[in-house]
Order: sequence, then structure tokens, then C-alpha cells
Amino acid sequence: DTEVTQTPKHLVMGMTNKKSLKCEQHMGHRAMYWYKQKAKKPPELMFVYSYEKLSINESVPSRFSPECPNSSLLNLHLHALQPEDSALYLCASSQVHKDQPQHFGDGTRLSIL
Amino acid sequence: SQKIEQNSEALNIQEGKTATLTCNYTNYSPAYLQWYRQDPGRGPVFLLLIRENEKEKRKERLKVTFDTTLKQSLFHITASQPADSATYLCALPMSNSGYALNFGKGTSLLVTP
Repeated sequence: DTEVTQTPKHLVMGMTNKKSLKCEQHMGHRAMYWYKQKAKKPPELMFVYSYEKLSINESVPSRFSPECPNSSLLNLHLHALQPEDSALYLCASSQVHKDQPQHFGDGTRLSIL
Repeated sequence: SQKIEQNSEALNIQEGKTATLTCNYTNYSPAYLQWYRQDPGRGPVFLLLIRENEKEKRKERLKVTFDTTLKQSLFHITASQPADSATYLCALPMSNSGYALNFGKGTSLLVTP
């Protein structure tokens, strides 16, 4: 079991749906991350939150909207996604300091019909 | 642009042998480098971190070296076991953040009995 919990594990949605991915950690980490991973590719950074504030947005389309309601929770709101957005979405957390390891959840497998 | 290169082909070795994986990088001056393991359908798991002033780091059967002149890290698994079969990812800090990471595409390791 990982210390970063992501829900749901699987999600199938149509292009007109609105859904949210959730991530929770209780390790006291103040940096949280969203990554997108396609098959046989490395995780690609989407967003970084530091002390509940968005610090990095890697030019992600606005149909992905992150939210960090408190230091333990991270959401990713999805709206009007495209088939190419189908991927594994990974959440991670770490201390806000250089040279700290990141702790990953097992991801949400998202399929867009 | 910054690039991280890992052996793009899968590495197949026999149980008991030493596996050596390579991570090369360009246009980086990283303060540290990290290695992660990823199993199919799971999130990456942190293995080892090595800092720029460290030549070598060990943890049980794992050893990492870091040559900032060659811009290369080597990751060794000694006495390999079938349970070591996984994808191994090298990660470097992003230039605009000391703690967000860029990942290499990973090397798939298969250890056969």
C-alpha cells in the first residue's frame, strides 16, 4: 500500500462529462504534484503545489483544473477532455526542499470515450 | 533543451548477475539525481538519491554512481532476482524548481531464472 491515496482507480468518461480526480496524503508534505503518464512513456509533470499555492503549471490545457483545498488534499477537475487525454494520472507529494524523494500514488487510469 | 537519456531498449539478464542501467543527461547542472522503480499499473517508488558531491551511494543490493563531468549516472543491481524485474526511471530536478522533477523514459529490466 502506498502512503499517497488516489481515487478513483479507474475512470471512464465521455468528452462532455465533468469529473474530478482526488489525491490524499498524511505525511505532512507541503509539495504536491500531478503527473500524466502514457503507456511506455515517463511521467510528465503537469502541476506543482507548494504550501497550497500553485507554483508550476507546465502549460497544461485549461480543461484540466487543479485545486489544493488543504495541505493533505489535491484535486484535478476534468472537463471537456479529448481522447488523447486518456492516460494514467499520478499524484505525488514531497517535502518542499531540494533533494527530497517524491512519494507517488498508484494513479487513476482515465479513459475518454 | 534539457534531455535525460536512458537505455531505450529492454535489458534482459540472468538471475544472480549484476544489472547496470545508464542515465545520461545534457544541458543540466543538477544538484542531485534520483532513481525510481515502477511496476506495471503502479506509481513510481523512490529508490536512491545521490548528490552532486557524492561519487557513489549504496543501499542493500543497489549502487548508484554520479559523474558530473561525464554527465552520467550508473545504477547497479547486484545478485539480481526475478523480483527486480521492473522499469527503472532516472530523475533530475527541473531548472525552475529545486524539488520538481523531470523523468527519463526509463529502462525495462527483465531478470530471468
